Amino acid sequence: DVKVTQSSRYLVKRTGEKVFLECVQDMDHENMFWYRQDPGLGLRLIYFSYDVKMKEKGDIPEGYSVSREKKERFSLILESASTNQTSMYLCASSLVETSNQPQHFGDGTRLSIL
Amino acid sequence: AQKITQTQPGMFVQEKEAVTLDCTYDTSDPSYGLFWYKQPSSGEMIFLIYQGSYDQQNATEGRYSLNFQKARKSANLVISASQLGDSAMYFCAMRRDNYGQNFVFGPGTRLSVLP
Repeated sequence: DVKVTQSSRYLVKRTGEKVFLECVQDMDHENMFWYRQDPGLGLRLIYFSYDVKMKEKGDIPEGYSVSREKKERFSLILESASTNQTSMYLCASSLVETSNQPQHFGDGTRLSIL
Repeated sequence: AQKITQTQPGMFVQEKEAVTLDCTYDTSDPSYGLFWYKQPSSGEMIFLIYQGSYDQQNATEGRYSLNFQKARKSANLVISASQLGDSAMYFCAMRRDNYGQNFVFGPGTRLSVLP
């Protein structure tokens, strides 16, 4: 089975801090994704990556950056955390030729910015 | 822009009965894929079922089936013989083939199964 591991289930940080959310997958997937989930809005795509050192903006990239130095690891960075970034963050991965293959998700990180 | 609509914020169903969760989508792409995920209160996203835009038959996976009506742009999830463990959030998603194969998700439907 595909395993996508997010470094923390719960995280509390303060306004203005630099926050790192880590995601690791063990199935050699080319694609990796970061979403945030808010009630009534579903999942919204922040950034995605097709390959090492490659990144593309999703639908809501403002206030975030990402890093993909190794194929299995995709990091989400909040450069200066703000209270409106309090949310559930989900990482996902998939094969490059997805066709009928789903994205595989981690368990999520509930991030609170105080 | 592609969009997924789920008009039912919450649904109730009696245990052992069938339930239909609605999903409509908007896209101008001829090739796309539709997925349903389940998210229990613990937070993990569990893939349930897939329907391709060119598939001739409706997808089925155990107690899950997809009522795919392409002309109406709808892909409703049918859960037969509901169980208490089916209580969860359910998300409909569409793969965006012309945008890096990433997904756009609907707002979700919270299903509660009553004993």
